[in-house]
This record gives sequence, C-alpha cells and structure tokens, in this order.
Amino acid sequence: EAGVAQSPRYKIIEKRQSVAFWCNPISGHATLYWYQQILGQGPKLLIQFQNNGVVDDSQLPKDRFSAERLKGVDSTLKIQPAKLEDSAVYLCASSPSLGGGEQYFGPGTRLTVT
Amino acid sequence: GDSVTQMEGPVTLSEEAFLTINCTYTATGYPSLFWYVQYPGEGLQLLLKATKADDKGSNKGFEATYRKETTSFHLEKGSVQVSDSAVYFCALSARETSGSRLTFGEGTQLTVNP
Repeated sequence: EAGVAQSPRYKIIEKRQSVAFWCNPISGHATLYWYQQILGQGPKLLIQFQNNGVVDDSQLPKDRFSAERLKGVDSTLKIQPAKLEDSAVYLCASSPSLGGGEQYFGPGTRLTVT
Repeated sequence: GDSVTQMEGPVTLSEEAFLTINCTYTATGYPSLFWYVQYPGEGLQLLLKATKADDKGSNKGFEATYRKETTSFHLEKGSVQVSDSAVYFCALSARETSGSRLTFGEGTQLTVNP
C-alpha cells in the first residue's frame, strides 16, 4: 500500500512570495490533515478535511493560509504572502475515518522563508 | 484546552540502557494516547497507542501504560539500540472536545551510542 505522498520535499522562498504544497493521501482514506511543525516543536493542526468538507480550521491563519481538497482525494495548502515565521515543515496525514485512531503521515515539506 | 507535556531532551544513552521518556497530559474527558516516532529524514510513524485507562500499548520492545489517575503515558524500553535514535512525540486525541485532531508534545530527541 502506497503511503501519503507530498511534494515538494523542500522549498525556499522570499518573504511576501506565495507557495503551494500538495498532498495525496492513502487511497480510500476519507480524512486528511495538514499540520505545521516548527523546528523544536511538536506538529500543530492547521486544517482537517472529511472527504472534501472542512471539519476543523480553527487554527488556520486564514488571512494568509488557504487549503482545498477538491473531489475528496488530494489536497493543496497555500500560503500567500509568506512571512519569516512560516518557516517550518508542513506535514500531511490521512486516516480512514473521523474515529480518532491512527493517522498516517507523509514525509513533509520543509519550507524556508528568507 | 488540551495539552501534552514531555520531559525535556535531548536524551543520550548507551546501547542496552533502560529508557524512560515522561509524558503527562491535560484533557477533558477520556482521550486516546499515542507515541509517534520520527527517524532522521522520515515522516512520523505511530509507535504505540492506548485508548482507555490502564491499557498498555506496546511495539518493538517499547511500552506505555495509560494512567488516568496521574494523567500520564510514560514511554519505556528495557534495552535500547542504536537504531532507536530518533525523536519521540507523545500525543493525544480528545474526540469530545477537538474531534480527531492530534495534540502533540514538544518531542524528545533520543541518541543511543554504541
């Protein structure tokens, strides 16, 4: 079974530029999560989808971050415009349901904002 | 709100030493508890979990017991190997208050020397 795929693996941009990350979850997984992991900290949830609907985006900075999951499969996370404090690893995870069980994580995208 | 506190790292041990990484939590209701591991250059992987009080999760020689009375979920291993070197994250999922979102601790870096 293929795991969660993310691209790109690394991205360097200047502040005020835009950037987008892509995630393809495990086939058949209805729930998709985006987490932000700042260096030295644990991951923090940004947004959670159930199929193509948003379940929880309470911690998403909506003035600059947006995410979509069209057709309930893959997802994109966008930052526009980026700030220095957005430098982090962006992790995508998926799970079969909303049941609160195991989440399967992708390798992450490391973003550096200069 | 929900929170997880892990012992401060980094932790450095010699091969075959005993490992304990402390984890305590704050949550409303009865959360599920997890330990995730992040090996160098890889994504987060579930190591073990427990879903109710007094449950013991175990995997690859690691164990953790869900202690509701002390709100703790300490990770232990009797004899560590060099290959156990990684970052370990304690996490909880409190479905009643935050859906299936994972709340992570800060992570503990473990280095095992031969």
